[in-house]
Amino acid sequence: GNSVTQMEGPVTLSEEAFLTINCTYTATGYPSLFWYVQYPGEGLQLLLKATKADDKGSNKGFEATYRKETTSFHLEKGSVQVSDSAVYFCALSGGNSGYSTLTFGKGTMLLVSP
Amino acid sequence: NAGVTQTPKFQVLKTGQSMTLQCAQDMNHNSMYWYRQDPGMGLRLIYYSASEGTTDKGEVPNGYNVSRLNKREFSLRLESAAPSQTSVYFCASSEALGREGTEAFFGQGTRLTVV
Repeated sequence: GNSVTQMEGPVTLSEEAFLTINCTYTATGYPSLFWYVQYPGEGLQLLLKATKADDKGSNKGFEATYRKETTSFHLEKGSVQVSDSAVYFCALSGGNSGYSTLTFGKGTMLLVSP
Repeated sequence: NAGVTQTPKFQVLKTGQSMTLQCAQDMNHNSMYWYRQDPGMGLRLIYYSASEGTTDKGEVPNGYNVSRLNKREFSLRLESAAPSQTSVYFCASSEALGREGTEAFFGQGTRLTVV
């Protein structure tokens, strides 16, 4: 079945540092890939997505590229802000398994200090 | 702009008590989901409803039941609560299950403690 593995946190950075959160997946075919963000005390909200190999999803300065050859969808941001502190979830749906609900990674907490 | 609304936001139950978590969406979505979130485990799917009138088990359905009351509402019932069901529960909805790139919209969550 489908699965998602993402780096464990917490990731602790200073403001304006470069961010990478690694995400790899297991699925056959071409699943859709997502990054969701959860701010403290809130539900998850979509940050960005990509549906085809080599597509780049982007939003709020965050980017991730769908790499079929390495089955990866790493999240990056060039300069983080304190307001980016949150938990980030990589997720996928679809592919050839026929199981189309979202499958989530375990989440990575990001802490940004001033 | 309500989106997905869950009630209650917090609940404390004694072992063996029952309760129903309510969820409603106002986006005319066909598919709805219940997840639980536990530390270090991410989100795990309990049950989902691809469309009105259908429900299916997810990854961790034991101890839960669901009802898709109508297109808007999808409730989760704990018949006899156990401490292992202490968790944060999220309801979500999407336009249609299986559609490429379909985004899920989440409620604010229900924090449930079973003592």
